[in-house]
Amino acid sequence: DAKTTQPPSMDCAEGRAANLPCNHSTISGNEYVYWYRQIHSQGPQYIIHGLKNNETNEMASLIITEDRKSSTLILPHATLRDTAVYYCIVRRLTTDSWGKLQFGAGTQVVVTP
Amino acid sequence: KAGVTQTPRYLIKTRGQQVTLSCSPISGHRSVSWYQQTPGQGLQFLFEYFSETQRNKGNFPGRFSGRQFSNSRSEMNVSTLELGDSALYLCASSETSGNTIYFGEGSWLTVV
Repeated sequence: DAKTTQPPSMDCAEGRAANLPCNHSTISGNEYVYWYRQIHSQGPQYIIHGLKNNETNEMASLIITEDRKSSTLILPHATLRDTAVYYCIVRRLTTDSWGKLQFGAGTQVVVTP
Repeated sequence: KAGVTQTPRYLIKTRGQQVTLSCSPISGHRSVSWYQQTPGQGLQFLFEYFSETQRNKGNFPGRFSGRQFSNSRSEMNVSTLELGDSALYLCASSETSGNTIYFGEGSWLTVV
């Protein structure tokens, strides 16, 4: 699976949008972009995933560039509870990798009042 | 629907002992995978089971093993514990399509 590059940390003001970048320049055509987050001492929480098109759900929006070499996770109105480590993962959905995610170091996001 | 359930949540073991951790996946999920998280190495994939068969394995020594039962519940075992095995052990499950993997809250293991 392609590797990803994320900034180690970001600050965001409460109520503002948080834009989390991820670079995955070696992504293959059949690899998806996944985002998870991990609040301190808890298990990772699935946020969203996409292949080519932009995606939105109740938690966030995922914007993937046309060349698919980078993406941005957008938390529209950050709250203090969004303080967490955010992981961007590129993943191929094959039968031999269903349960496997390759985590990097992620981005520590701190939302401040 | 109940989420992924892991037991016990916290445990302390002595070097040389062995430990068994349990995981109940989300109802209907047949794939169960295990991860280890330490401050130094981050989140690392241990192994994955599907229909009682290990389908994928990470780069861990043979002291780490697992199994899956016919009801998809899974256990992982670590034998001859070392201090470096102190970690958060996470179980995750996914449905047959494998699209989304859901994690439990983890089991905190401390080896003294």
